[in-house]
Amino acid sequence: AQSVAQPEDQVNVAEGNPLTVKCTYSVSGNPYLFWYVQYPNRGLQFLLKYITGDNLVKGSYGFEAEFNKSQTSFHLKKPSALVSDSALYFCAVRDMVSSASKIIFGSGTRLSIRP
Amino acid sequence: EADIYQTPRYLVIGTGKKITLECSQTMGHDKMYWYQQDPGMELHLIHYSYGVNSTEKGDLSSESTVSRIRTEHFPLTLESARPSHTSQYLCASSEFQISDTQYFGPGTRLTVL
Repeated sequence: AQSVAQPEDQVNVAEGNPLTVKCTYSVSGNPYLFWYVQYPNRGLQFLLKYITGDNLVKGSYGFEAEFNKSQTSFHLKKPSALVSDSALYFCAVRDMVSSASKIIFGSGTRLSIRP
Repeated sequence: EADIYQTPRYLVIGTGKKITLECSQTMGHDKMYWYQQDPGMELHLIHYSYGVNSTEKGDLSSESTVSRIRTEHFPLTLESARPSHTSQYLCASSEFQISDTQYFGPGTRLTVL
């Protein structure tokens, strides 16, 4: 079964420190992976995606994610956190099995950046 | 910012009322989706569409229905709202590409009293 897991419900980081939000996946074949961010009372915003190529993917707002095939991970990272990065982050994987052309979302990780 | 719109943004309504949540996109995307999300929780796919006159049920059973008469428009209807329908409803769209990046609207927060 295809799935994506976000093992941490909440991540707390001090402003200026590096941050990592973890994601692991389980898919058949090559994965298409995504990160989205959701601010309060808003829809999801696309941050970045991995399709093929370089394992380090750069996205919006200074975020990047590292694809690691051997560890089946796609962790989201930022070198220096901002208070404005506080939000709910979703990892997602393209469902390559069903004919429905869907994206499977993780359960979300709440990122809290303290001043 | 994606060109996908949802109205109303907030709706408070009594039990038994019929409601329609509107979703429109100006990107010409073939595929559209409806998700249900309780505040701060995970997303559940309830409906999707590949194009005009195409609608499918998602992973989470829902009493709502959808229609896709025009490419840009994908409304969701509840014939008789109940308190259990209280939730946030997110609409999304994507191109017909293998990568399938989805772009989301701002959501409609529905409260049924």
